[in-house]
Amino acid sequence: DAGVTQSPTHLIKTRGQQVTLRCSPKSGHDTVSWYQQALGQGPQFIFQYYEEEERQRGNFPDRFSGHQFPNYSSELNVNALLLGDSALYLCASSQGTVLFFGSGTQLSVL
Amino acid sequence: KQEVTQIPAALSVPEGENLVLNCSFTDSAIYNLQWFRQDPGKGLTSLLLIQSSQREQTSGRLNASLDKSSGRSTLYIAASQPGDSATYLCAVKVNQAGTALIFGKGTTLSVSS
Repeated sequence: DAGVTQSPTHLIKTRGQQVTLRCSPKSGHDTVSWYQQALGQGPQFIFQYYEEEERQRGNFPDRFSGHQFPNYSSELNVNALLLGDSALYLCASSQGTVLFFGSGTQLSVL
Repeated sequence: KQEVTQIPAALSVPEGENLVLNCSFTDSAIYNLQWFRQDPGKGLTSLLLIQSSQREQTSGRLNASLDKSSGRSTLYIAASQPGDSATYLCAVKVNQAGTALIFGKGTTLSVSS
């Protein structure tokens, strides 16, 4: 049983560009959450998707948007990238209380 | 606003030592508290989850306690091993609904052989 898979593993972008990160949840999970983890910090909650709708959102600007597909996979889109968006982006899936995290996408903005 | 603090930020111990990692949170109104392990550049692995009505949870050499009234949790690791070297993160869930967790910055543990 594959766990939570994220792609790509690493990404380098330039300021002002747009990026899309992808996540496939663990089999049987219908809820996907996204977190941003800056270097030396704990993860920060971006948003949660369930039944293809954003259900909960953290304190992130509208430049951060997402989507969930009928197969429960999800995308995180970030527009107009800033240097401060450089971070490890973690996807987590769940069907209940416990979150299962993927290995993340390391985004570097130059 | 709920804030989570972890002390110490880093810890180095020799193999075989018992150790305690600390986590504190500012608002005692939590739904549950989780301890995670993170290896460098990797995702998080859930170690223990304590519901707000519980006082402790145990898994193998790990024991986590929760004192909601004082806003504190501890993670006790018995007989530490080099393979325990990682960053340990504490996170609180404020509401039953949703999946938002509030994390501390973590404690980076190094166990030397």
